[in-house]
Amino acid sequence: LAKTTQPISMDSYEGQEVNITCSHNNIATNDYITWYQQFPSQGPRFIIQGYKTKVTNEVASLFIPADRKSSTLSLPRVSLSDTAVYYCLVGDRGFGGGFKTIFGAGTRLFVKA
Amino acid sequence: GAVVSQHPSWVICKSGTSVKIECRSLDFQATTMFWYRQFPKQSLMLMATSNEGSKATYEQGVEKDKFLINHASLTLSTLTVTSAHPEDSSFYICSARDRAMGEQYFGPGTRLTVT
Repeated sequence: LAKTTQPISMDSYEGQEVNITCSHNNIATNDYITWYQQFPSQGPRFIIQGYKTKVTNEVASLFIPADRKSSTLSLPRVSLSDTAVYYCLVGDRGFGGGFKTIFGAGTRLFVKA
Repeated sequence: GAVVSQHPSWVICKSGTSVKIECRSLDFQATTMFWYRQFPKQSLMLMATSNEGSKATYEQGVEKDKFLINHASLTLSTLTVTSAHPEDSSFYICSARDRAMGEQYFGPGTRLTVT
């Protein structure tokens, strides 16, 4: 399982764009990159998943360089409600069962008014 | 989107008693379910992986006789904390992998407090 490294914490202000980078130097060919968001006393919530280049959905963008050894989650115009812990996970999507999802320390994002 | 439920959402029990937590995939079949525990301000720690119809695989350091996991159907897994002690107080989260699509979804968590 590829190990991930993220900043422990980040601060931002409302309305700013936030970029959280995750390093995964030993990512395998079959691995996908998935980001989750977690609020206190709640289960993680899926944000976005990608394999290479750029993926965008209604809440975030995920940038993955060609070597796939890192990825960047981009949150446009954050609000106070985006204050949460963000986890970067790397692993095989596991069709039919298989890989176990291991969480790293995550990044605590604090958005200020 | 797919929904995973947990019941109860919180429970308080006395030391020495057992507590069962249910995890259900509401609109998809899950061949694999995972159980995590999370202490305050810490990350999720994987406890065990369960596949429908077979015995759970426990992570190193997790006592299988204390944390009994049953995955009897494609939509239900249960975690029973036996002879609970105050140090078992934690936030327990389950997740389920969609059999068809491979996506993984998390439940809302169960807060266990052992007095």
